[in-house]
Amino acid sequence: GQQVMQIPQYQHVQEGEDFTTYCNSSTTLSNIQWYKQRPGGHPVFLIQLVKSGEVKKQKRLTFQFGEAKKNSSLHITATQTTDVGTYFCAANTGNQFYFGTGTSLTVIP
Amino acid sequence: DSGVTQTPKHLITATGQRVTLRCSPRSGDLSVYWYQQSLDQGLQFLIQYYNGEERAKGNILERFSAQQFPDLHSELNLSSLELGDSALYFCASSGGQGPLNEQFFGPGTRLTVL
Repeated sequence: GQQVMQIPQYQHVQEGEDFTTYCNSSTTLSNIQWYKQRPGGHPVFLIQLVKSGEVKKQKRLTFQFGEAKKNSSLHITATQTTDVGTYFCAANTGNQFYFGTGTSLTVIP
Repeated sequence: DSGVTQTPKHLITATGQRVTLRCSPRSGDLSVYWYQQSLDQGLQFLIQYYNGEERAKGNILERFSAQQFPDLHSELNLSSLELGDSALYFCASSGGQGPLNEQFFGPGTRLTVL
């Protein structure tokens, strides 16, 4: 079954609004990665979180790893039309790689 | 451009047939991963090879097999194809074998089974 759940599945925001996607696992993760896939494109690596409670920022993007290493979030401040795409979290447990179901972000100009 | 190449870009075939998808990793990368992406299943990990050896196995069907050759390119073989195998198949590569490595994805092969 699905090891990593991601919500919401879809999100429509007005340009300039904030956006957050959440990733949850029932098991403790060794690390979590975030990828972005533009429409018609392939997943592109954004960042990796390894430490409990870790927070990393990339310009308007803020990534967090939960204290228990079972959840993570990606927050985009003041969305732009270039943020359109599907955001996936990806986790590793043992030798298995699990991608979340993804959150498809639509930004309305 | 990630540096990972996949051929063909598109493939249309009939049920019961067999196809081979090819992937060339980024120069220097030893790990190759295969993923299946369909609308209702999201991105599913199939299998990983590291320097020619199978390293990890995911939800790969018995009708599917893969290998990595000495030159590090990889092939994914899909046989006895069913309608439900229609999907986008991605290959990714990374420098190391463990989970802490960034994966670089190729452009994908879109398989349509009629």
